[in-house]
Amino acid sequence: DAGVIQSPRHEVTEMGQEVTLRCKPISGHDYLFWYRQTMMRGLELLIYFNNNVPIDDSGMPEDRFSAKMPNASFSTLKIQPSEPRDSAVYFCASLSHEATNTGELFFGEGSRLTVL
Amino acid sequence: GNSVTQMEGPVTLSEEAFLTINCTYTATGYPSLFWYVQYPGEGLQLLLKATKADDKGSNKGFEATYRKETTSFHLEKGSVQVSDSAVYFCALYRRDSGYALNFGKGTSLLVTP
Repeated sequence: DAGVIQSPRHEVTEMGQEVTLRCKPISGHDYLFWYRQTMMRGLELLIYFNNNVPIDDSGMPEDRFSAKMPNASFSTLKIQPSEPRDSAVYFCASLSHEATNTGELFFGEGSRLTVL
Repeated sequence: GNSVTQMEGPVTLSEEAFLTINCTYTATGYPSLFWYVQYPGEGLQLLLKATKADDKGSNKGFEATYRKETTSFHLEKGSVQVSDSAVYFCALYRRDSGYALNFGKGTSLLVTP
């Protein structure tokens, strides 16, 4: 079975541009998570979904960030407008309902964003 | 709230040396505990886990024991290899605190030949 798939792997953009990151979770997983990784702050949870519904978005930094999950196999994280401080690696992860007692998340390889 | 504290890195060891990376946690009740590993340029992979007190997780020569009395989950390996060079993350999960993992800040390990 394919793992969590993220695209693009690398994105370089200029300040003010819109950035869209994409994620395909493992088939059958009910939960999808977006994390951000930086040297200063480590891994931060941005938002997570259950059955395509956002459950906790308290980690989303500000209104420039938005996330959607239009169906069970696809999610996007959008930054508009982007700023240099948004430069980070963004990870998507998924969790099956059966694993909600133990919490084993599966991660994608990440999208490295550089905002100039 | 729930939190994880792990030792600061970087940790530099010679090949075949003994490894310990300390991890302590704060949580109510009995969380599940994990070690994830991130190799350069890659995502996080589950290394091992323990879901209740006194459980020992093990994988690829790494071990960690869930110690409720000291709220710890230290990672150990008896003889490290160059290929173990990576960043190691300790993480905590409590279902009734939401379904996300709480991560420590990560410990970078460099193993030299």
